[in-house]
Amino acid sequence: DAGVIQSPRHEVTEMGQEVTLRCKPISGHDYLFWYRQTMMRGLELLIYFNNNVPIDDSGMPEDRFSAKMPNASFSTLKIQPSEPRDSAVYFCASSFGRRLNTEAFFGQGTRLTVV
Amino acid sequence: GNSVTQMEGPVTLSEEAFLTINCTYTATGYPSLFWYVQYPGEGLQLLLKATKADDKGSNKGFEATYRKETTSFHLEKGSVQVSDSAVYFCALYSGGYQKVTFGTGTKLQVIP
Repeated sequence: DAGVIQSPRHEVTEMGQEVTLRCKPISGHDYLFWYRQTMMRGLELLIYFNNNVPIDDSGMPEDRFSAKMPNASFSTLKIQPSEPRDSAVYFCASSFGRRLNTEAFFGQGTRLTVV
Repeated sequence: GNSVTQMEGPVTLSEEAFLTINCTYTATGYPSLFWYVQYPGEGLQLLLKATKADDKGSNKGFEATYRKETTSFHLEKGSVQVSDSAVYFCALYSGGYQKVTFGTGTKLQVIP
């Protein structure tokens, strides 16, 4: 398997624009996580899904952020409208929850810059 | 709630020096403990793990022992290399969901 695939790797956008980040989890994994990493706040869990269903979105910073998982092989994180403070690296990760204590596998991240 | 506390970085060491990165945790139940490593420009990848008290995880010369009595999972390596320069995250899994709690990360820089 190619691992968790995220696109794009880099995104530069103007304030107010809509941004969509994409993630393809490892085939067969039933958990998917979205994280945000910044120097100030470190690694933050935004939302995670189990079998395509959102389980906990308490980390989503505000209504400008939304995430979907229409099927087991694809998820999106959307920011609309984007703001400069959203600039960060966004990671997607997946895991196979039926195996106890299994680790999460991370994608290489999307570096978002909002100007 | 669950939490993970790591020592502040950055940590700068000379090549072949001994490394310790402290990690303590607070959790309900019986968590599993992990160390992840993030190399520059990359995502996190699992370095080692321990799933019950007194277990020792090890990989690539790194090791950590799950100490329930002190709620700690300190990362150690006897002789670091320049290639070990990265950010190291201590993490905790607990409960029925695969939700992980990460520490803030410790940046390690190894100089020749």
